[in-house]
Amino acid sequence: SQTIHQWPATLVQPVGSPLSLECTVEGTSNPNLYWYRQAAGRGLQLLFYSVGIGQISSEVPQNLSASRPQDRQFILSSKKLLLSDSGFYLCAYNRGGGMLQETQYFGPGTRLLVL
Amino acid sequence: TQLLEQSPQFLSIQEGENLTVYCNSSSVFSSLQWYRQEPGEGPVLLVTVVTGGEVKKLKRLTFQFGDARKDSSLHITAAQPGDTGLYLCAGATMGDYKLSFGAGTTVTVRA
Repeated sequence: SQTIHQWPATLVQPVGSPLSLECTVEGTSNPNLYWYRQAAGRGLQLLFYSVGIGQISSEVPQNLSASRPQDRQFILSSKKLLLSDSGFYLCAYNRGGGMLQETQYFGPGTRLLVL
Repeated sequence: TQLLEQSPQFLSIQEGENLTVYCNSSSVFSSLQWYRQEPGEGPVLLVTVVTGGEVKKLKRLTFQFGDARKDSSLHITAAQPGDTGLYLCAGATMGDYKLSFGAGTTVTVRA
């Protein structure tokens, strides 16, 4: 079975500090990987997605970046956090290829508070 | 601009009542997913519909995909407090790696 992990679960960081959020997937190879940010009680904003190692597509310009150093590892980073970076960050994956593979499966999320 | 419009934005009902959540678009999707999310957790997939006109039932939940594959609805019969959560619809387009998410409907079922 496939599982997806995110850590940390909660993070409190000062403005201007760096950020590294990690996401790993088990039980599937060559997944498509996604980073979303969600405002409280609202929909999801796609930040980045990756269809392969080293391949990153950015959806919105911002001070965040993403990397995929291994097939099932996806990292969200920032060199200097802003107050507006606070939010709930979700990692997701799908197996790609074919209509039913379009379904995405989400990790438990990371709550980030920038003070 | 949301490609998928969900309505209503908020819904508060008494236990035992029925409810329907709508997801509408002017675009055609190859498939559509419904998720439920509880506070502080990631969304959990409820169902994927792929055929126009398709109806899927999951216990007290009934999902319908529009004939033209542009819209969908989620109907809950005899709602229970455990149905409380944020319901999200998401549409997929063939050949696109991304999903288009609606803004969500917050459902509260009062005991």
